[in-house]
Amino acid sequence: DGGITQSPKYLFRKEGQNVTLSCEQNLNHDAMYWYRQDPGQGLRLIYYSQIVNDFQKGDIAEGYSVSREKKESFPLTVTSAQKNPTAFYLCATTKGEYTEAFFGQGTRLTVV
Amino acid sequence: AQSVSQHNHHVILSEAASLELGCNYSYGGTVNLFWYVQYPGQHLQLLLKYFSGDPLVKGIKGFEAEFIKSKFSFNLRKPSVQWSDTAEYFCALAANQAGTALIFGKGTTLSVSS
Repeated sequence: DGGITQSPKYLFRKEGQNVTLSCEQNLNHDAMYWYRQDPGQGLRLIYYSQIVNDFQKGDIAEGYSVSREKKESFPLTVTSAQKNPTAFYLCATTKGEYTEAFFGQGTRLTVV
Repeated sequence: AQSVSQHNHHVILSEAASLELGCNYSYGGTVNLFWYVQYPGQHLQLLLKYFSGDPLVKGIKGFEAEFIKSKFSFNLRKPSVQWSDTAEYFCALAANQAGTALIFGKGTTLSVSS
């Protein structure tokens, strides 16, 4: 079954801890993206990667880090420097540039 | 930098009413435009897309959108909504410029009462 898998679905962490969200795809898409969704804010771009071993900051990259060592995987680390990490995080892929995105089911992160 | 504006934060309609959700974008070059829908508890799905050609595009579930270049707009329409259309709707833009990413508006929540 082709698709995008985000895990876990729900994640709880204590303040001050780093946490890594997983995103794996088997669509053979080149580009991968991380968005953060907050009520009334829409989807805000955190990081994106259009090829392996390369990635760019989005609008709200501060406090986050990513890696793209494999085409299939684009993990997102929420660091302790992120001031307000509690949110819904969405991973997406596109086959190429300018095309439509496909989304995973999301990870809801709660930091207490 | 490109941006997307959605005018309505929350729209409330009765079943069978007509729907129009506004979307304007800011970018001087060629764009690809999208509408996505997020039903409660589900992941984002593509409703329709515009790349080029006929500015009136039809999508799934009876939705359509019209690209008006002179107004930088891409409004979503449906002649008659159903209760099952209750969802959050997002307009998105991909600028035809190397290295750019898909940018979303803040979304419009549609509530349809039966």
